[in-house]
Amino acid sequence: SSELTQDPAVSVALGQTVKITCQGDSLRNYYASWYQQKPGQAPVLVIYGRNNRPSGIPDRFSGSNSGNTASLTITGAQAEDEADYYCNSRDSSGNHWVFGGGTDLTVL
Amino acid sequence: QVQLVESGGGVVQPGRSLRLSCAASGFSFSHYGMHWVRQSPGRGLEWVAVIWYDGSNEYFADSVKGRFTISRDNSKNTLYLQMNSLRAEDTAVYYCARDLADDGGSSYLDHWGQGALVAVSS
Repeated sequence: SSELTQDPAVSVALGQTVKITCQGDSLRNYYASWYQQKPGQAPVLVIYGRNNRPSGIPDRFSGSNSGNTASLTITGAQAEDEADYYCNSRDSSGNHWVFGGGTDLTVL
Repeated sequence: QVQLVESGGGVVQPGRSLRLSCAASGFSFSHYGMHWVRQSPGRGLEWVAVIWYDGSNEYFADSVKGRFTISRDNSKNTLYLQMNSLRAEDTAVYYCARDLADDGGSSYLDHWGQGALVAVSS
C-alpha cells in the first residue's frame, strides 16, 4: 500500500499532551517525517527519522515509531502549535513519496 | 542559510504548458536530491516528483506522470518543473523542497520554498 492514514482532526487543552498518529505499510521499511503547516505558510519539518528535531524546533515535539505506525507527540501544547500536521515517507516501492491526509490540531 | 525561491507560476489555460523554477542558495545544491510538492486550495500536501542530486534518476506521482518533467541545472543552482497538458486539477501551490537522506534509505524534506501558485482556468 502507498497510503498514510491520519486522523483528520485532534484537539488538546492548552498545556496538555497530544499524540498524532500516522499509519501505513511503508512505515515498516522507512521512517516518517512530520511537517507543521500554518495557514498561508509553507510546511516546516518538525520531526524526522527515529526522533530527530531540526534546529529551532522546540523540544516539546517528539516522535516515535512502532510497526506500521509513526507518532508525533507534543508535550505541553502551546497556542502557537495550532496548525495542520502531515506525515510523509517513501512508499513501499522506495521510488515515490507519500503524505498522510493531514491532522488539523486545535489547542483549546 | 538555506533558501529556496520558486518562480514561474501564474494563470494558464487547460492544455497549455508552464515551467516553474526553484532557485537554491545557502548550500551545495549539487549534493542534494530535490522534490516538488503541491497543495490544491483547501487540500492536503501531494508529492509530485523527485530528482536525484546528479539528475540520474527521476520519479513522478501517477497523477502527473507523462505530463510533467523535472530537471536541474547544478551550474545555476536551479531546479525546474516543466508542466505540460495542464488540467484544472493541477491548480495548486507548488513547493520545491530539499531532500535529506539518512543512511537507512529514509529521506525527509528538510527545507521548503514559499511556493508558486499555478491556476489552470479557461
